[in-house]
Amino acid sequence: DTGVSQNPRHKITKRGQNVTFRCDPISEHNRLYWYRQTLGQGPEFLTYFQNEAQLEKSRLLSDRFSAERPKGSFSTLEIQRTEQGDSAMYLCASSDTGGHSPLHFGNGTRLTVT
Amino acid sequence: AQKVTQAQTEISVVEKEDVTLDCVYETRDTTYYLFWYKQPPSGELVFLIRRNSFDEQNEISGRYSWNFQKSTSSFNFTITASQVVDSAVYFCALSSGGTGTASKLTFGTGTRLQVTL
Repeated sequence: DTGVSQNPRHKITKRGQNVTFRCDPISEHNRLYWYRQTLGQGPEFLTYFQNEAQLEKSRLLSDRFSAERPKGSFSTLEIQRTEQGDSAMYLCASSDTGGHSPLHFGNGTRLTVT
Repeated sequence: AQKVTQAQTEISVVEKEDVTLDCVYETRDTTYYLFWYKQPPSGELVFLIRRNSFDEQNEISGRYSWNFQKSTSSFNFTITASQVVDSAVYFCALSSGGTGTASKLTFGTGTRLQVTL
């Protein structure tokens, strides 16, 4: 069990640029989640996958955000035309398919939009 | 709608003191799960405990204990004989829905615990 891995750890970008983050879940976990955490707040759910299928998206996920999980392994989260309000920590987590299984989180990608 | 409230923004204690972190939740579902996570300065959220809505038994794990009371919609967390390594932000979270539901957690705003020597 090597844990959930996220890359990059930090990303600084200019407003209007596109960015992409990667998450590698724990290998035996079928579910993969993306959360966003802003300073002083708890994480907020964005979306989750079961294998390669994206089963739910939060209303927080605007049209500028897209997530994929090809082949049900790693996942990418892309933000197009970044805005300053997108600055946050983006957290990836994975779990098995049991109901309400505990999530195993990665270290996150901190995005700063200037 | 679901909501988790952690009214204590920050708590400071001296090592070896006991400390209780409060968590109050709201949900209309009868099946739900409650969680506590620890977020140390390194940033990675660490799972501590999960309880389901049908099991109100309190739980103890070493210096950690949890008190779940459905009557007051609370799931409080106590650290006994706190240590400096306990310094972190602690989050309470709620996941509701049927037993096969994915863990779409609603988190509270967290309580920052500072333990000093």
